[in-house]
Amino acid sequence: AQTVTQSQPEMSVQEAETVTLSCTYDTSENNYYLFWYKQPPSRQMILVIRQEAYKQQNATENRFSVNFQKAAKSFSLKISDSQLGDTAMYFCAFMGYNTDKLIFGTGTRLQVFP
Amino acid sequence: SQTIHQWPATLVQPVGSPLSLECTVEGTSNPNLYWYRQAAGRGLQLLFYSVGIGQISSEVPQNLSASRPQDRQFILSSKKLLLSDSGFYLCAWRGQGEGHTEAFFGQGTRLTVV
Repeated sequence: AQTVTQSQPEMSVQEAETVTLSCTYDTSENNYYLFWYKQPPSRQMILVIRQEAYKQQNATENRFSVNFQKAAKSFSLKISDSQLGDTAMYFCAFMGYNTDKLIFGTGTRLQVFP
Repeated sequence: SQTIHQWPATLVQPVGSPLSLECTVEGTSNPNLYWYRQAAGRGLQLLFYSVGIGQISSEVPQNLSASRPQDRQFILSSKKLLLSDSGFYLCAWRGQGEGHTEAFFGQGTRLTVV
């Protein structure tokens, strides 16, 4: 069975600084998708970034980028130039290529300080 | 455009009472549908998912059940609520087929069992 582990329950960063959120996963599949979702205080889930496992190039979306290490089954999220609006719960998620299950980790609560 | 509706937004129910949470999707057909529960420290726990009418996969043995009576309707139910059923429940949908990887979430239901 697939599992997703986020070992950092809480993180904090000062505005304009860079922070990295960690995620590891376990799977026997070779092809899959990985995601980072953001849940601000409004509790609306928002997709931040996605990575396809067969792509070696790390995904980037503006200030958000990932460090995807397939062999290590690691998928960390880097937020550059942190903004107050980045304060949220961040969830790492996994979905197998040939499955319909979307599995989430326990989340990391990120607080951005002015 | 596609939208997802989830109701009610909040619910307070006594122990032993029944439960029915409803989720509907508009603007798409044959979506994958998901029910998650978010409890403190446990992240987003996948409860049920469905790939078609009448097709329900259960992830966690528990006091809850799900049904999909229509293509774009997903219902979470319980015959007798327990205190441990309290939490924030999220419904989500995702398109089927290659390329449809992003999941879209409803606004959530905060359930308090008293």
